[in-house]
Amino acid sequence: DAGVTQSPTHLIKTRGQQVTLRCSPKSGHDTVSWYQQALGQGPQFIFQYYEEEERQRGNFPDRFSGHQYPNYSSELNVNALLLGDSALYLCASSLIGRGQETQYFGPGTRLLVL
Amino acid sequence: DQQVKQNSPSLSVQEGRISILNCDYTNSMFDYFLWYKKYPAEGPTFLISISSIKDKNEDGRFTVFLNKSAKHLSLHIVPSQPGDSAVYFCAASAGGAGSYQLTFGKGTKLSVIP
Repeated sequence: DAGVTQSPTHLIKTRGQQVTLRCSPKSGHDTVSWYQQALGQGPQFIFQYYEEEERQRGNFPDRFSGHQYPNYSSELNVNALLLGDSALYLCASSLIGRGQETQYFGPGTRLLVL
Repeated sequence: DQQVKQNSPSLSVQEGRISILNCDYTNSMFDYFLWYKKYPAEGPTFLISISSIKDKNEDGRFTVFLNKSAKHLSLHIVPSQPGDSAVYFCAASAGGAGSYQLTFGKGTKLSVIP
């Protein structure tokens, strides 16, 4: 049973560039959430996608956007990168309303902005 | 303003003894709580959860206790094993299930000494 997968594992960008991170949910899951984890902090919720729509959003600027595809995979896009966007980006998947609502995390994508 | 607090950045315990990790929260809307374990270079792994309608949940060596009046929960690991050495995150959600946005603490690094 495939777990949550994310790509790429590592990424280096420069300020002002744009980045796209990808996530495939655990088999059978339909909901994808994205989190940002800065060094020494706990993960912070960015947004959640369900049925190809943004279901919830945390306190992140509009530079952070996402998408969910019909196969439930998801992308996180960040525009106009800032140094402070350097972090581990985690994707988590779950299944809404069927007793499997625990969020399971992927290994993350480590983004470094120079 | 941190809504979920883990006030101990680190904890060292002898192998075979009990590990107790603590977590406090301030948001009265939180009604579902989870513990995740994280090894370096991996995503958080789900350990155990508890709904606010319960005060205790047990799964093997792991037990979570919830004191709603004190807005406090704790994770007990008995007996502790060297493989338990990791960073432990407490997380909370509002909405009755772990599928909604999770708010995390900063984590406690547990070291189990052989």
